Amino acid sequence: EVQLVESGGGLVQPGGSLRLSCAASGFTFSRYSMNWVRQAPGKGLEWVSYITSGSSIYYADSVKGRFTVSRDNAKNSLYLQLNSLRAEDTAVYYCARDGGGEYIVGLLNYFDYWGQGTLVTVSS
Amino acid sequence: DIQMTQSPSTLSASVGGRVTITCRASQSISSWLAWYQQKPGKAPKLLIYKASSLESGVPSRFSGSGSGTEFTLTISSLQPDDFATYYCQQYGSSSRTFGPGTKVDFK
Repeated sequence: EVQLVESGGGLVQPGGSLRLSCAASGFTFSRYSMNWVRQAPGKGLEWVSYITSGSSIYYADSVKGRFTVSRDNAKNSLYLQLNSLRAEDTAVYYCARDGGGEYIVGLLNYFDYWGQGTLVTVSS
Repeated sequence: DIQMTQSPSTLSASVGGRVTITCRASQSISSWLAWYQQKPGKAPKLLIYKASSLESGVPSRFSGSGSGTEFTLTISSLQPDDFATYYCQQYGSSSRTFGPGTKVDFK
């Protein structure tokens, strides 16, 4: 069974930093592209970042230059470093697997499995 | 970026009823559209990809159709477990944008 478990969320002041983690199991993590998607309270979904199995990386314009995605295939883990946080970054952050199968590369894809999310609150 | 709209924003329906949700893209995305179901406090769940392909394990009462800029999600006979918010997502461009959602609640 595919499982994605996020952690690392919490309350942080504007301008602060946070590191989110996503532990993957139930599939060969190293063969899949992975994503972070966020959802502000009571709002819709926004794709944030993408990393291929070979660590090619893309970001939404709203977070470019402030967030950094990475992965450790040996630990079956995905990470998101959030810097220079703003109030508008307050959201539940989901880890999501790219659909379509192993070794699919490219942003033209959907998300087939999601974690339960971790809440990031940016407030003074 | 491609903008996505959904209608209606809220839909009241009864168990056993037929439900249709419309999703429109600001430019053609061919058939590169997915549908997700989200319940309160839970992660989204993939229902449909490539506009009309049913994800494994999803009940056959869910179906998708459309291409280009207009798409529909249909639930043929609404079940109690189907009361949720539904989102479309385009992947015809690298921006991977979602629609604003349609909440299906009890009539």
